[in-house]
Amino acid sequence: DAGVIQSPRHEVTEMGQEVTLRCKPISGHNSLFWYRQTMMRGLELLIYFNNNVPIDDSGMPEDRFSAKMPNASFSTLKIQPSEPRDSAVYFCASSLGEGFRYEQYFGPGTRLTVT
Amino acid sequence: QQQVKQSPQSLIVQKGGISIINCAYENTAFDYFPWYQQFPGKGPALLIAIRPDVSEKKEGRFTISFNKSAKQFSLHIMDSQPGDSATYFCAASGDNDMRFGAGTRLTVKP
Repeated sequence: DAGVIQSPRHEVTEMGQEVTLRCKPISGHNSLFWYRQTMMRGLELLIYFNNNVPIDDSGMPEDRFSAKMPNASFSTLKIQPSEPRDSAVYFCASSLGEGFRYEQYFGPGTRLTVT
Repeated sequence: QQQVKQSPQSLIVQKGGISIINCAYENTAFDYFPWYQQFPGKGPALLIAIRPDVSEKKEGRFTISFNKSAKQFSLHIMDSQPGDSATYFCAASGDNDMRFGAGTRLTVKP
């Protein structure tokens, strides 16, 4: 299996622009997680999907962030409009099971820089 | 709201030594405690995990010790190798939440 696939790997954009990050989970996994990692705040859970349905989005920082999972093999995280403080590495992870008690397989991440 | 406190922030160990990283949690509803290893430019990868029905779990050179009453758990890396140099994150999770520690950057010197 190719593992969790994320694109792009690097994104540089200007403040105010829309940014869309993409994730393909491991085939057969039914849970998907989006995380953000920064030096200041560490690894933070943004949103969790189970069977394509958003279960917990309490970690989404504000209305500028939105996430969708239209099918079992694809998810997007969108930031509109982007701000410099959104600069971080964004990880997508998937797991075989519901909830947080199963091994999560992380993708390589997308490094976002907002200037 | 930090619910998992991890220490030390950084650790330097000689090759062959023992690396010890400690974590403490607050939420008594947490019942799954994984450790993740992250190399630069990569995503975290599960190293070892424990559930509170046991006090210790060993996998090769890696051991988790768990103290439920103290709400603490630790990772021990025996015979540390330069290839173990990475950032290690503890985590705690339950039904509806998962929290990560701030991470420990481990350097194993040859």
